[in-house]
Amino acid sequence: GENVEQHPSTLSVQEGDSAVIKCTYSDSASNYFPWYKQELGKGPQLIIDIRSNVGEKKDQRIAVTLNKTAKHFSLHITETQPEDSAVYFCAAGISGYSTLTFGKGTMLLVSP
Amino acid sequence: EAQVTQNPRYLITVTGKKLTVTCSQNMNHEYMSWYRQDPGLGLRQIYYSMNVEVTDKGDVPEGYKVSRKEKRNFPLILESPSPNQTSLYFCASSFGGAGTGELFFGEGSRLTVL
Repeated sequence: GENVEQHPSTLSVQEGDSAVIKCTYSDSASNYFPWYKQELGKGPQLIIDIRSNVGEKKDQRIAVTLNKTAKHFSLHITETQPEDSAVYFCAAGISGYSTLTFGKGTMLLVSP
Repeated sequence: EAQVTQNPRYLITVTGKKLTVTCSQNMNHEYMSWYRQDPGLGLRQIYYSMNVEVTDKGDVPEGYKVSRKEKRNFPLILESPSPNQTSLYFCASSFGGAGTGELFFGEGSRLTVL
């Protein structure tokens, strides 16, 4: 089955800095890569996703890049703000299939 | 308001006492799933359902049961809970399979088994 590795497990940055979280996956058939943000005491919420037919996708301060050859994808957050502090999960799956494999999560702390 | 509702949010129980965590969604989603979240292990899928009366095992199904008698409800049943089932549980739903699009998560149910 699919295996998703996520690094780092914790990340501390100063407000205004950029943050990068990296994930690798093992199943070359995977073609759907979402990122979820989990705030304290809440369920995860989708913030951005990318499919394998594109290499990069942006949404305001958030971007995701995908390298299918190397089987890795990354989340980039620019101009970080304290409200970006949360746990971030990457995941990999196959379009139309029933399962999504999650990474172990990254706790991002943005200090004012 | 579109949402996934789980109950109870918090529960402390003892080994062997059967319990059910309910999950209901109001978005007419076909796909529903249960995950457990443990420190250092991330989110692991327990069971999922593609439609009414259709359920299948995820990565960690041992000790759990589910049923899908109605489209909106997907309860998680622990017939004989054990301490290793102490965890934070999330129910999620989506229009298609998990690999199709956004998963909508409930707010979680924190279970402690003594």
